[in-house]
Amino acid sequence: GENVEQHPSTLSVQEGDSAVIKCTYSDSASNYFPWYKQELGKGPQLIIDIRSNVGEKKDQRIAVTLNKTAKHFSLHITETQPEDSAVYFCAASISSSASKIIFGSGTRLSIRP
Amino acid sequence: EAGVVQSPRYKIIEKKQPVAFWCNPISGHNTLYWYLQNLGQGPELLIRYENEEAVDDSQLPKDRFSAERLKGVDSTLKIQPAELGDSAVYLCASTSRSNTGELFFGEGSRLTVL
Repeated sequence: GENVEQHPSTLSVQEGDSAVIKCTYSDSASNYFPWYKQELGKGPQLIIDIRSNVGEKKDQRIAVTLNKTAKHFSLHITETQPEDSAVYFCAASISSSASKIIFGSGTRLSIRP
Repeated sequence: EAGVVQSPRYKIIEKKQPVAFWCNPISGHNTLYWYLQNLGQGPELLIRYENEEAVDDSQLPKDRFSAERLKGVDSTLKIQPAELGDSAVYLCASTSRSNTGELFFGEGSRLTVL
């Protein structure tokens, strides 16, 4: 089955700097790659996703890139702000729906003032 | 629009005791999921319902875990008897057929087994 690896497990960046989180997946049939943000005491919330027919997607300060050949994808957050502090999960799915989503182990991002 | 509602938020029990968690999904969402989230890990699927039918329960430890969604709306997840290793957050999520893959999660139920 699908296996998603995520790194780093923790990341600390200065406010205003950029943060990058990287993930790899094992199943070449995966075609949907969402990213979730989980704040303390809350459930994960979708922040951006990408499908296998595109290589990059951007939404304001966040962007995702996908390299299908290498089977890896990344989350980029620019101009980081204190409210970006949270745990971020990448995920992969062989289905365009949410039914087969496999999550990575998470990255705890801390923004230093 | 109300989000996914879960209760209780926190539960502390002794090992071998039973425990139940309740979830009410977003109105109109026909697919409901129960996930297990261990400390420092990502969510892992326990069971998925399409309306009242459990269509994927392959990861549910059926010797002690059970779930139901009798009327295709709210759902209950039960553990009996609980073990120390069951201490975790139990997340409920829902999606509708019109969604393009987004899971809407509740805030979770944190279980501590002593």
